[in-house]
Amino acid sequence: DPKIIQKPKYLVAVTGSEKILICEQYLGHNAMYWYRQSAKKPLEFMFSYSYQKLMDNQTASSRFQPQSSKKNHLDLQITALKPDDSATYFCASSQEVNSGNTLYFGEGSRLIVV
Amino acid sequence: AQSVTQPDARVTVSEGASLQLRCKYSYSATPYLFWYVQYPRQGLQLLLKYYSGDPVVQGVNSFEAEFSKSNSSFHLQKASVHWSDSAVYFCALSPPNAYKVIFGKGTHLHVLP
Repeated sequence: DPKIIQKPKYLVAVTGSEKILICEQYLGHNAMYWYRQSAKKPLEFMFSYSYQKLMDNQTASSRFQPQSSKKNHLDLQITALKPDDSATYFCASSQEVNSGNTLYFGEGSRLIVV
Repeated sequence: AQSVTQPDARVTVSEGASLQLRCKYSYSATPYLFWYVQYPRQGLQLLLKYYSGDPVVQGVNSFEAEFSKSNSSFHLQKASVHWSDSAVYFCALSPPNAYKVIFGKGTHLHVLP
């Protein structure tokens, strides 16, 4: 059984719309992350959270907003979608947020913006 | 700035052959170094990691990597590949006290049966 659940696995969105990507982890980890993978920029770090607090943010656009309602949840809200946002978004977690911890990845949410 | 370079976008080898996937990193000191593998339609999985000690580190599925401080490299090796090793391999680094892992662009490995 997958320990990191991402929903939906696939979605198609219209330019200008808003979508929320869901991520739940059942590994008992304290840190969660979002990464984005596209043909143009392979596996790009977006956000890291520890105990529901933002630790690092490498996303220039405020259109991307993480939301953490519980320690094991880290959703990603994307507003005013653009075709360039088309990518696979991976959620990951680790025991703690500091260096050296192994990342565990979900299977990804593939977003296509038309 | 920290970065990871994987110079080979694609590597093709025959089953049973040896393998080396190259990785060079840029960081002022020694970072945490990782190799991850991504199979089709899956997330990444850790193969091995290194921070200190023996520069040759063993990983899962008979993979190993060798750290070289003088060359700023962390090459992945396997003595004999299997067709099931076909996947994308990512080298990555995390500086001490950082809250993120930085990945290279990945190397697509294709093993011919």
